[in-house]
Amino acid sequence: AQSVTQLGSHVSVSEGALVLLRCNYSSSVPPYLFWYVQYPNQGLQLLLKYTTGATLVKGINGFEAEFKKSETSFHLTKPSAHMSDAAEYFCAVTFSPYGQNFVFGPGTRLSVLP
Amino acid sequence: ETGVTQSPTHLIKTRGQQVTLRCSSQSGHNTVSWYQQALGQGPQFIFQYYREEENGRGNFPPRFSGLQFPNYSSELNVNALELDDSALYLCASSSGTANSPLHFGNGTRLTVT
Repeated sequence: AQSVTQLGSHVSVSEGALVLLRCNYSSSVPPYLFWYVQYPNQGLQLLLKYTTGATLVKGINGFEAEFKKSETSFHLTKPSAHMSDAAEYFCAVTFSPYGQNFVFGPGTRLSVLP
Repeated sequence: ETGVTQSPTHLIKTRGQQVTLRCSSQSGHNTVSWYQQALGQGPQFIFQYYREEENGRGNFPPRFSGLQFPNYSSELNVNALELDDSALYLCASSSGTANSPLHFGNGTRLTVT
C-alpha cells in the first residue's frame, strides 16, 4: 500500500527565513504528487502539483517543490517565510490520473516567528 | 465560479444516531470525493462518486454510504454513529480529467457524544 511520510509534525521558522517541509512516499511507481495547505477551520487549498514533465514545480504564494524519483521525495520550499504562511501543510499522492484515493501524509504545522 | 460548499458546518450527534452531510460541487466538476480528517491527522479517503456511481472506496465500513445526484451534488450518510466518527468531514470535487486536483470545501465538523 502507498504511504506518505512528512518528517516533522511541527516546524518553526523566523519570518524571512527559508521554509523546508519534507515529504517522502513509498512506492516503486512514481505517483502524482500534491501539496495542500489548511488554515484553521478551513478546507484544504492546493499549493502545487507534480504530474509529469519538469521536476521543479512552482505553486502559489511563492512555494515550490522538487520531485526526486531516486529519493522518492517531494519536499516543499519557500525562500522567505511570511507570517501568513503559518498553517498546516499536507503532502498527498495518488496513482490515478482521475482523482481516486488521494493518500495524505499526517501533516506538518508551520509556525512563523516574528 | 462557485466553489465547493458543505452543510452544515457543525453538527453534534449522539452515539447510535444517523447523520447526513451535504456537499455541492464546484461548477463544471462531475466527480465528488469524501474524506474524514480526525483531529491532528491527515484526511483519509472514504469514497468517490462519478456520474452518480461509486467508483472508489477507502477502508471504511458499510455504515458509511453516499449518494451523488444528477446535478453532481452529494451526500455522505453515516449510520450507527460511534465516538470515533467524531472528525472533520471534507468534500472535494474535481473535473475527472487526467491529473485534475481536488478542490475542497471547508468541511463539516461532526462531534459524537
